[in-house]
Amino acid sequence: DAGVIQSPRHEVTEMGQEVTLRCKPISGHDYLFWYRQTMMRGLELLIYFNNNVPIDDSGMPEDRFSAKMPNASFSTLKIQPSEPRDSAVYFCASSPRTGGTEAFFGQGTRLTVV
Amino acid sequence: QQQVKQSPQSLIVQKGGISIINCAYENTAFDYFPWYQQFPGKGPALLIAIRPDVSEKKEGRFTISFNKSAKQFSLHIMDSQPGDSATYFCAARPSLRGSQGNLIFGKGTKLSVKP
Repeated sequence: DAGVIQSPRHEVTEMGQEVTLRCKPISGHDYLFWYRQTMMRGLELLIYFNNNVPIDDSGMPEDRFSAKMPNASFSTLKIQPSEPRDSAVYFCASSPRTGGTEAFFGQGTRLTVV
Repeated sequence: QQQVKQSPQSLIVQKGGISIINCAYENTAFDYFPWYQQFPGKGPALLIAIRPDVSEKKEGRFTISFNKSAKQFSLHIMDSQPGDSATYFCAARPSLRGSQGNLIFGKGTKLSVKP
């Protein structure tokens, strides 16, 4: 398996634009997580899914953020409209059925909002 | 609020020395304590993990020490090497039903091992 695949690796966008980040989890993994990493706040959990169903979205900072998982092999994180303070590295991770022990992370998407 | 507090924020160690990173948690019961290693430009990767019924776990040069009564756990890197230079995150997983998918991370420790 190629691991968790995220796209794009880098995204530069202007304030106010819509941004969509994509994630393909490892096949067979039932849990999918979206994290945001910044120097100030470290790794923050935004939302996670179990079997494609959102379980906890309390980390989603505002209504501008939304996440979907239409099937077991694909998830998106959308920011609309984007703001400069959204600049960060966004990670997707997935865990196997065994209760979410080891989380496997993708390479991340570095988002810059100018 | 569930928290995992990690220290120090950064650490510089000479090659061959021992690197020690500490974490503490509050209140909520956790049932799994992993450490993740992150190199620049990469996602975090699991390094070693421990469950609270064990006081120590060793894998090669990496050891987790766990003190359940103090709600503290630490990572020791023996014979530190320049290749160990990375950011290390401790984490904890709540044992509450419905929260078992969620890992709570510390803020990370940037380790630099000088040759």
